[in-house]
Amino acid sequence: EVQLVESGGGLVQPGGSLRLSCAASGFTFSSYAMSWVRQAPGKGLEWVSVISGSGTTSYYADSVKGRFTISRDNSKNTLYLQMSSLRGEDTALYYCAKGPTTVVNDYWGQGTLVTVSS
Amino acid sequence: QSALTQPASVSGSPGQSITISCTGTSSDVGRYNYVSWYQHHPGKAPKLMIYDVSNRPSGVSNRFSGSKSGNTASLTISGLQADDEADYYCSSYTTSSTVMFGGGTKLTV
Repeated sequence: EVQLVESGGGLVQPGGSLRLSCAASGFTFSSYAMSWVRQAPGKGLEWVSVISGSGTTSYYADSVKGRFTISRDNSKNTLYLQMSSLRGEDTALYYCAKGPTTVVNDYWGQGTLVTVSS
Repeated sequence: QSALTQPASVSGSPGQSITISCTGTSSDVGRYNYVSWYQHHPGKAPKLMIYDVSNRPSGVSNRFSGSKSGNTASLTISGLQADDEADYYCSSYTTSSTVMFGGGTKLTV
């Protein structure tokens, strides 16, 4: 059974940093692209970033480019999102999601909440 | 990057059919056959319902179908059931090698 468990969310001040993690199990982690998608309170889904199975290729939404870094450790079956220079508009529930490709997500975690506020 | 355009809400009675539209541009929906649809019940993880415009993942009811014409994709749900009540989001690959979601549509049954 595919399981994706996000962690690392919390309250952070504007300008601060936070690293999210997503522990994956139930599939061959290194074979699939992984994505981060967020949902601000009362808003819709917003795609954030994707990384290839090997970790060599990644893409970002314009809203986070230069501030967020996606990475993965295939030996630990874990996906990461390093977030810096955080802003109020980054407040959201952050979901990690599994491929099968870089443009489709067939399994999603339950999300971890990030709140950016002073 | 602007979100793909979806109606804010649609409604239907049990047993009826509804269609949700998703309008993009020639740089996303119109250019690629990489449109997906997700069902999202509040408080739960989103669920993939349709991928690559019209393909259903294993386990998804054949009451759900997808299509595309030009810059607009559509999700049709036939034989509406109470459990279909949820938010629905489309997404598309773009020429920027990114993915864009629609604003979401609240389906009321």
